[in-house]
Amino acid sequence: DIIMTQTPLSLSVTPGQPASISCKSSQSLLHSDGRTYLFWYLQKPGQSPQLLIYEVSNRFSGVPDRFSGSGSGTDFTLKISRVEPEDVGVYYCMQSLQLRTFGQGTKVEIK
Amino acid sequence: EVQLVESGGGLVQPGGSLRLSCAASGFTFSNFWMHWVRQAPGKGLEWVSSINGDGISTSYADSVRGRFTISRDNAKNTLYLQMNSLRAEDTALYYCVRSTWPWGQGTLVTVSS
Repeated sequence: DIIMTQTPLSLSVTPGQPASISCKSSQSLLHSDGRTYLFWYLQKPGQSPQLLIYEVSNRFSGVPDRFSGSGSGTDFTLKISRVEPEDVGVYYCMQSLQLRTFGQGTKVEIK
Repeated sequence: EVQLVESGGGLVQPGGSLRLSCAASGFTFSNFWMHWVRQAPGKGLEWVSSINGDGISTSYADSVRGRFTISRDNAKNTLYLQMNSLRAEDTALYYCVRSTWPWGQGTLVTVSS
């Protein structure tokens, strides 16, 4: 099974400041088709998870450009260039190379 | 508009059974892998089961294998999860997911005596 490890597990950010979340997988998420199956979701309070980033670095439709994803192999990062109050919630990374596994989640709060 | 609506959750005693349904609309249902993901109260996301477009290929998390069965009816655009031998630790909000997006609103399953 592929294990996904997120750090930190919680983050308190001043509005307008940047934030960064790390996600590490126990094995490479690079498929033989050349694609890397790493996704980022945000679950806002009381809502279902919403897709932010697919295949490491592609912003999903309607996602603000202050969100960016990067990484390769086993190490990935989600960055928010300037955190806004509506960004609060829990961020999850997910791999879909082999079945599906989620990271533990990173709770982002506003200072 | 792509939409997924789960139903069938409720309160059930340990050892009991429930069948969850997920009604899909706004897309060609048979073209997509579908998944069940659950979230225990106050906890993170846990993948439960997946099924391919024609219903032939299925997979399960170790925690539910042998107790849960995923299926689909492409004529009815509906995904199912048959849950047997339920345990307290199966208590969770169960989400239906199309591929990677969107997710339904979830249906709550509570296993308690």
